Amino acid sequence: EAGVTQFPSHSVIEKGQTVTLRCDPISGHDNLYWYRRVMGKEIKFLLHFVKESKQDESGMPNNRFLAERTGGTYSTLKVQPAELEDSGVYFCASSQEHEQYFGPGTRLTVT
Amino acid sequence: LAKTTQPISMDSYEGQEVNITCSHNNIATNDYITWYQQFPSQGPRFIIQGYKTKVTNEVASLFIPADRKSSTLSLPRVSLSDTAVYYCLVAPSGYSSASKIIFGSGTRLSIRP
Repeated sequence: EAGVTQFPSHSVIEKGQTVTLRCDPISGHDNLYWYRRVMGKEIKFLLHFVKESKQDESGMPNNRFLAERTGGTYSTLKVQPAELEDSGVYFCASSQEHEQYFGPGTRLTVT
Repeated sequence: LAKTTQPISMDSYEGQEVNITCSHNNIATNDYITWYQQFPSQGPRFIIQGYKTKVTNEVASLFIPADRKSSTLSLPRVSLSDTAVYYCLVAPSGYSSASKIIFGSGTRLSIRP
């Protein structure tokens, strides 16, 4: 069974540009989560989808971040415009019940 | 939100048993204790979860005292491949409680030959 995949694995962009991260959850998992770890900090929750609906987006830092999950399959996280403090690793996870399965993450560097 | 405290780092040798203790004094009645393992350039991986007493699976054991204010992850006979960061999390169980999960700094475990 394929695990959670994320694309790209690395992204380097300039401040002010736009970046879109993609997450493909494990097939059949209704729950999809986004987390991030910015430099030197802890992994923090961003938001949670149940199928295509946003169940909880209390962790989204500001309106420069937009997450979508059209059709309830893969999800995208867009950062527009990117700022220096957005640099870090963005993790996606999926679950059907309690256990969350994490992807390898996307390392975002904003210069 | 319950916060956890665990050692920043630990060292051990192959074949030894490693015990990592986590303190969670403010654990709530509906909180579960979950441990994750993370290797470099990978996402966290679920190891074990428990509510009270002892839980054992094919990878590890989790010991939780009656007051539930701490827990101990026990890794039997570690190998070099167990070198990783281990996170202790305390949160309500269930897919709707992700926002309540606090990863903390984790414990960096280094295993030597």
